[in-house]
Amino acid sequence: QKEVEQNSGPLSVPEGAIASLNCTYSDRGSQSFFWYRQYSGKSPELIMFIYSNGDKEDGRFTAQLNKASQYVSLLIRDSQPSDSATYLCAVKSTGNQFYFGTGTSLTVIP
Amino acid sequence: EADIYQTPRYLVIGTGKKITLECSQTMGHDKMYWYQQDPGMELHLIHYSYGVNSTEKGDLSSESTVSRIRTEHFPLTLESARPSHTSQYLCASGLAGLNTGELFFGEGSRLTVL
Repeated sequence: QKEVEQNSGPLSVPEGAIASLNCTYSDRGSQSFFWYRQYSGKSPELIMFIYSNGDKEDGRFTAQLNKASQYVSLLIRDSQPSDSATYLCAVKSTGNQFYFGTGTSLTVIP
Repeated sequence: EADIYQTPRYLVIGTGKKITLECSQTMGHDKMYWYQQDPGMELHLIHYSYGVNSTEKGDLSSESTVSRIRTEHFPLTLESARPSHTSQYLCASGLAGLNTGELFFGEGSRLTVL
């Protein structure tokens, strides 16, 4: 079983819609969760992090964490073509290592 | 903007050559990591370090070595490159601490072994 699982997509949404990206993790003791955005040919850059159960909002982005279900999600409201990228879910394990999912490819259609 | 630098950005070499990928950060971060990433695949941890003279192996470490003599410098060495080493190599750094976690990535070194 992989440490972090994501649907690889591709996920296509029209401009202005809400994009929903999901992630599950296997280490129940994990404490820190991250969403990175990676444009083609570029390095990952941090979008959001969340440590506590519930929602965390930052502009058009909302991260949601449910530790009981070992589930993390990222919502992107009012999606823009510039949001088209691969979104990586990362989990910091109890062993203090980072594990990344395979990423979900998102395309926002103008 | 993250201050973490990788060189070379692109490298094409022949099989059997020894190569070193350089990574330096100016943020004073204790933790540094090397990841390998192939298209459409997750980042695989190769090596990591939590401080000077501390290095640990990740999932794909068997064919490479690292050193951490200075806080800011974390080079990765392949003693004998093979075509299977063709990939993108990403260096990252971050702060130590329980609820600190952001990793800053370098721009990557794309290696092609012929």
